[in-house]
Amino acid sequence: GAVVSQHPSWVICKSGTSVKIECRSLDFQATTMFWYRQFPKQSLMLMATSNEGSKATYEQGVEKDKFLINHASLTLSTLTVTSAHPEDSSFYICSARPGSDEQYFGPGTRLTVT
Amino acid sequence: GNSVTQMEGPVTLSEEAFLTINCTYTATGYPSLFWYVQYPGEGLQLLLKATKADDKGSNKGFEATYRKETTSFHLEKGSVQVSDSAVYFCAILPGANSKLTFGKGITLSVRP
Repeated sequence: GAVVSQHPSWVICKSGTSVKIECRSLDFQATTMFWYRQFPKQSLMLMATSNEGSKATYEQGVEKDKFLINHASLTLSTLTVTSAHPEDSSFYICSARPGSDEQYFGPGTRLTVT
Repeated sequence: GNSVTQMEGPVTLSEEAFLTINCTYTATGYPSLFWYVQYPGEGLQLLLKATKADDKGSNKGFEATYRKETTSFHLEKGSVQVSDSAVYFCAILPGANSKLTFGKGITLSVRP
């Protein structure tokens, strides 16, 4: 149980285009979902927290107009990187929390912007 | 504020060696403590957790004990395998519905 999927697992896009990443909790309902960014050989950096049906809360320094988050249902959250640039290339990981304690992580999405 | 400090890596061990990865934390209140593991190219998997003092979390031969007096949650395994090669993250959850705070992670390489 407690499986979180992400799609796509990797994506290459051209500079200036937008990319959408989906995060789904497959066998539980997630009241809260999180989006992280991870640079090579570094820890996870929390980008934003989203609750179903409400606006996401972004961490300091994260551009909310660039990284659009939509928590459409209790099992789906999407991250859209708008007008992507090479510096947005990274490993993006989502996680979902069914209650107040444990968090389950997706397998990650590798984004490369050329 | 809340923070997690992990020992510097990377760590390279021979198969069947004993493993200790240190983790200490600072937190307000009474946090829950976690160890996550990340295999190459993958997301994080929960390895074990502990929610109160003196609790011992265990999984796949790994163990960690919640030491409130030393604010530590060191990860141990008696005999590592090549398949344990991964990045290990210590994390704390300061309170219910709060945000996880991660350590920097440490890379473990186990050679045959």
